[in-house]
This record gives sequence, C-alpha cells and structure tokens, in this order.
Amino acid sequence: GAGVSQTPSNKVTEKGKYVELRCDPISGHTALYWYRQSLGQGPEFLIYFQGTGAADDSGLPNDRFFAVRPEGSVSTLKIQRTERGDSAVYLCASSQPGQGGTGELFFGEGSRLTVL
Amino acid sequence: AQSVAQPEDQVNVAEGNPLTVKCTYSVSGNPYLFWYVQYPNRGLQFLLKYITGDNLVKGSYGFEAEFNKSQTSFHLKKPSALVSDSALYFCAVRDVGSNTGKLIFGQGTTLQVKP
Repeated sequence: GAGVSQTPSNKVTEKGKYVELRCDPISGHTALYWYRQSLGQGPEFLIYFQGTGAADDSGLPNDRFFAVRPEGSVSTLKIQRTERGDSAVYLCASSQPGQGGTGELFFGEGSRLTVL
Repeated sequence: AQSVAQPEDQVNVAEGNPLTVKCTYSVSGNPYLFWYVQYPNRGLQFLLKYITGDNLVKGSYGFEAEFNKSQTSFHLKKPSALVSDSALYFCAVRDVGSNTGKLIFGQGTTLQVKP
C-alpha cells in the first residue's frame, strides 16, 4: 500500500487479556517506530526497529509490552495482561533508510485500544 | 536526554492574521527538528524539518519555521492563517549525536483559527 497500515483500527478488550497490534510499514522503509498517544498528550516513544532488530526499546513501560519485526517489514506490538491504563492510541511510523537520522517519520492512523 | 517543550496548550488567531506556535528543545548535541500536524481521529502528518543550513525552513500548506540555536527554539509560523489550519500541532526533536534514531515529541498545541 501507499502508506503505513495499522490493524485493528479499534480494539476493545477486558482487563487481563492479551492484545496484538499490527503495523505494515511503507515498502522499503527499514526503520519502524511504535508510539503511544493518550488523550490530550503528545506521542510517547515506545520502541524503534532498524531492520529486524530493536535498536532502542527504552520507551517500553514494563515487561508486559513486547514488539517484534521478524522479517524486517511487518511489526507486531504485543501487550500481556492488559490494564486500564494501557488504553490509548498506538501509533506506528516508518522512515526511509540511509538518511542518517534526517528522515521524517510517516505515521499510520493508529490503533485505538480500550481496556475495560 | 532530549526533550521538547510546547509552552502553549492552545493558540487562538483570527483568519487572515499571522500565527506562531512555539517550541523549545533540549539535546546534548545538535538537533534535527520537525513539525507535525494532527487532524481529529487521524495520524500525524509531516509539515517541515530543520536539518542544517538556512535557519528559516519552508514546508507544506504555507507553513514555515525558524531555527534559533541560541534560544534553542523552533517556532512554527504562517503569515496568514486559514480556518482549515485548525488542528493539533506537534514539535519533535532527534538528537544527532545520540545512538538512537528516536524522535521525541512535545505535548502539542491546539491551533484554533476563527473566521
């Protein structure tokens, strides 16, 4: 597709359940980012992949959060034992390779997670 | 650690008037600076960036921003606001000298342009 695709667009779950959120980046983009945006807040950095490996996972709030990108394209953000405080919009972004950090991020429209 | 501050939660301007949305940053090295816009229930859209060179950068939809190293600021400007510019605006910074490619965002400023 032309842009970053995220599924599902909306997810409602119960406290304690397991959730997976998927991101399909722009073709050829080697860098992939996950952010979390709570109502009225700016995007909060979670994790950044360069290719298949997590180059920086310093933003993951705790060990209930995990993300993978096994083939260097699609990424899945996994949240175990969800809590009400996990409710937010989860944004995925990708950027072009080889720009030495100068490249802008292209964002998907987000997955809205609601934990009841 | 890198950080961004947007001191105004909301900016109100009349259509046709100039607008400024403020941003200051903190990095240990040199910054790469970005502005994004977010419309309701949509993802973030890139407006413009400062990498190096001319301190005044021009971007999409008639927006521009001025990099001021001494004041560590990167304010977003537009000479004549449109009602359709009403949205949420985010400033972001990447620390050139750090090993991470992560982009850190400010808390956002809501721009309200009234007819």
